[in-house]
Amino acid sequence: GNSVTQMEGPVTLSEEAFLTINCTYTATGYPSLFWYVQYPGEGLQLLLKATKADDKGSNKGFEATYRKETTSFHLEKGSVQVSDSAVYFCALTPTGNQFYFGTGTSLTVIP
Amino acid sequence: GAVVSQHPSWVICKSGTSVKIECRSLDFQATTMFWYRQFPKQSLMLMATSNEGSKATYEQGVEKDKFLINHASLTLSTLTVTSAHPEDSSFYICSARDLRGPGNTEAFFGQGTRLTVV
Repeated sequence: GNSVTQMEGPVTLSEEAFLTINCTYTATGYPSLFWYVQYPGEGLQLLLKATKADDKGSNKGFEATYRKETTSFHLEKGSVQVSDSAVYFCALTPTGNQFYFGTGTSLTVIP
Repeated sequence: GAVVSQHPSWVICKSGTSVKIECRSLDFQATTMFWYRQFPKQSLMLMATSNEGSKATYEQGVEKDKFLINHASLTLSTLTVTSAHPEDSSFYICSARDLRGPGNTEAFFGQGTRLTVV
């Protein structure tokens, strides 16, 4: 079956610290992988995506690489800002229709 | 990018009443929309797939008579929580795919609806 396992939070970091949020998956076939971000009171916004093995998605300083050999899609950012405080969801879709989400990781960045 | 609008953003209702949530694709047509539910500290779980002009497909364990889905047009799907009870309090969010362009696998999400049943 399809599933996503995401590191539990909450995560609290100081501004300019390095961020890693781990995500591993199980899937049939070759899914597309995503990171979505949910700011307080808002819906999900696509942060980045990768559609095939070894692809690297990047946006706003965040990066994640599609690793088929380790079935992982870890999210990283070299220097976080207070404005990055949000909940981050790792997700996959085998077909582009139904999405499977991780449990979400809450990130708080303190000045 | 494509926009999906969901309304209302939050609603409080009395136990036993029904609540309707709307999901609209604003600048594209969506033959299929998806409804998810998010419990506190848990992930989003797919409830049902809404198909324009036909019956919705519900995931196992989701009561179709309680969560009525209507997809009457290519830009609107509605979810009605009937005879709501406190355990139905949750965050409901819809999504739709913009199929314009080749190989597009991105889904767009509404801003979600926080339902509280008292």
